[in-house]
Amino acid sequence: DVKVTQSSRYLVKRTGEKVFLECVQDMDHENMFWYRQDPGLGLRLIYFSYDVKMKEKGDIPEGYSVSREKKERFSLILESASTNQTSMYLCASSSTSRSGANVLTFGAGSRLTVL
Amino acid sequence: AQSVTQLDSQVPVFEEAPVELRCNYSSSVSVYLFWYVQYPNQGLQLLLKYLSGSTLVKGINGFEAEFNKSQTSFHLRKPSVHISDTAEYFCAVSGGAAGNKLTFGGGTRVLVKP
Repeated sequence: DVKVTQSSRYLVKRTGEKVFLECVQDMDHENMFWYRQDPGLGLRLIYFSYDVKMKEKGDIPEGYSVSREKKERFSLILESASTNQTSMYLCASSSTSRSGANVLTFGAGSRLTVL
Repeated sequence: AQSVTQLDSQVPVFEEAPVELRCNYSSSVSVYLFWYVQYPNQGLQLLLKYLSGSTLVKGINGFEAEFNKSQTSFHLRKPSVHISDTAEYFCAVSGGAAGNKLTFGGGTRVLVKP
């Protein structure tokens, strides 16, 4: 019954490494999102996508990029990982709603540690 | 820009006692409001949502929330908690100028004690 799958639950990387976080959804949703979750700060939006090959910056896009080549897959890329990117990363998807009443379905999260 | 404030970062509560989690948002236009729950080592799942209509919204697992437009609040309540309600709870808002983007509060960690 898994609907949003994040490929890695735990990753440990070194400063300067390139990091790929993969997310796949099987609900044919148009919208996909990447958030990072930090204690006391809740979830902050990094990037989102409303369609294939489309991306928009969220509230904290610096140091990140994304790729959406297929509807079901949305990748988050850290070109050169830094220690302040140590965090829990959550992927989510939703179907398009004209009203803005997005109901997101989340993956289980990827906990990234950058040493 | 929209913002969401969860006034309590941590709420300890005894089993079978009531709990209220407070959430205030800032927006000058109509919005949609949500509560999500995150159990340990899991992603977030939707507890309940307010889109329009009745200001009292019922969700899963016995939770309910009341939308108060004049106080820009959307507080979450449960009359009697179980150990299994131990989790982190997030209030979120979308709509208005932010469109489909969902803005989350900082979260409230609920610890239910036996």
